[in-house]
Amino acid sequence: KAGVTQTPRYLIKTRGQQVTLSCSPISGHRSVSWYQQTPGQGLQFLFEYFSETQRNKGNFPGRFSGRQFSNSRSEMNVSTLELGDSALYLCASSLEVGAHYNEQFFGPGTRLTVL
Amino acid sequence: SQKIEQNSEALNIQEGKTATLTCNYTNYSPAYLQWYRQDPGRGPVFLLLIRENEKEKRKERLKVTFDTTLKQSLFHITASQPADSATYLCALGNTDKLIFGTGTRLQVFP
Repeated sequence: KAGVTQTPRYLIKTRGQQVTLSCSPISGHRSVSWYQQTPGQGLQFLFEYFSETQRNKGNFPGRFSGRQFSNSRSEMNVSTLELGDSALYLCASSLEVGAHYNEQFFGPGTRLTVL
Repeated sequence: SQKIEQNSEALNIQEGKTATLTCNYTNYSPAYLQWYRQDPGRGPVFLLLIRENEKEKRKERLKVTFDTTLKQSLFHITASQPADSATYLCALGNTDKLIFGTGTRLQVFP
């Protein structure tokens, strides 16, 4: 089985722009979660999607949004980019909803740099 | 606010010894605790999950304990190998989300 894939792997944007990141979960997995990883804050939960619905949300501003499609693929969007949004964005999939009690399979991440 | 503490300093041990990593938490009552391994430039890899009513869990050379009274989890790697060198993250979960610690870097030298 193919693992979780994320595109693009690297991205450079400037302040004020917006960005869309994509995640394809493992075949058969219906839950997709997104995380932001920075050296200072570590790995922080953004949100979780299941059956095209956002099920859980972390403490991030409304500039961060996401969606999930009927084939379980997910996209994450960040609008009005700020320098502090520079981070590794990780996507994880699991069979069922509930990142807190299900084994999650992470993708390689998208490295976003905001200049 | 909720806080998870893992040793920020790297843990250096000799091959063959047992590595013990600590995860302490405050202001939180997790129902689940997970451990992940992360190598540089890669996403985390799931290792073990333990529930609040389980005291200990084992998987091959790995052992995890979960003490809800002490608010602490210990992660042991027995007969450690250089290939075990990585950053290890603990993550606490309750009803809605997973909160990760900042991780402990383990270095196993021959």
